[in-house]
Amino acid sequence: QSALTQPASVSGSPGQSIAISCPGTSSDVGGYRYVSWYQQHPGKAPKLLIYEVSNRPSGVPDRFSGSKSGNTASLTISGLQAEDEADYYCSSYTSSGTYVFGSGTVVTVL
Amino acid sequence: EVQLVESGGGLVQPGGSLRLACAASGFTFSNYWMSWVRQAPGKGLEWVAKIQENGNEKKYVDSLKGRFTISRDNTKNSLYLQMNSLRGDDTAVYYCVRYSAYHFDYWGQGTLVTVSS
Repeated sequence: QSALTQPASVSGSPGQSIAISCPGTSSDVGGYRYVSWYQQHPGKAPKLLIYEVSNRPSGVPDRFSGSKSGNTASLTISGLQAEDEADYYCSSYTSSGTYVFGSGTVVTVL
Repeated sequence: EVQLVESGGGLVQPGGSLRLACAASGFTFSNYWMSWVRQAPGKGLEWVAKIQENGNEKKYVDSLKGRFTISRDNTKNSLYLQMNSLRGDDTAVYYCVRYSAYHFDYWGQGTLVTVSS
């Protein structure tokens, strides 16, 4: 299974909102609510941001939100902050019982 | 506090083998599926394998073609990844990850595996 194709980079100014798309197929993103998002700062392990499309674990700021429409999931960061500069990955359960990650998006705060 | 600590990484020649281990603490290990995820240098995340709480069910990414085996020892709160016939494109940081309800909620810091002659 090939990686889900995310935009390579997204940028925004502090306080702005940005969105990262995660397009898949009916065999993964579109077929299940098991889409999650991860944040990874340089040299660090990934951290869970969103699970089951739109749920936030405790401790994750509410400026991070997730949604899904058809075969495409999205992560929105509202009120962008300097510390949000990182790599972001989506992940989806698949019809094979396996998992696929997105290709990753570099978020730059201008 | 949930902790996952990987070990066993290092330099190995192409065609060689390596066994990674992950020591888990801070939660009831035997109640959770576990997984391995890898990340090649400068690249994205790739899911590798998962194993059921009791070790009976296992799943792998298709591209591995039977070269890797995931296992666990619940008496030692440990997860393992046996890697055989290693190739250059297996070079990556390997993360031990707790898998809960279809997402990956806790990650170790990773162990680097370098396959090179």
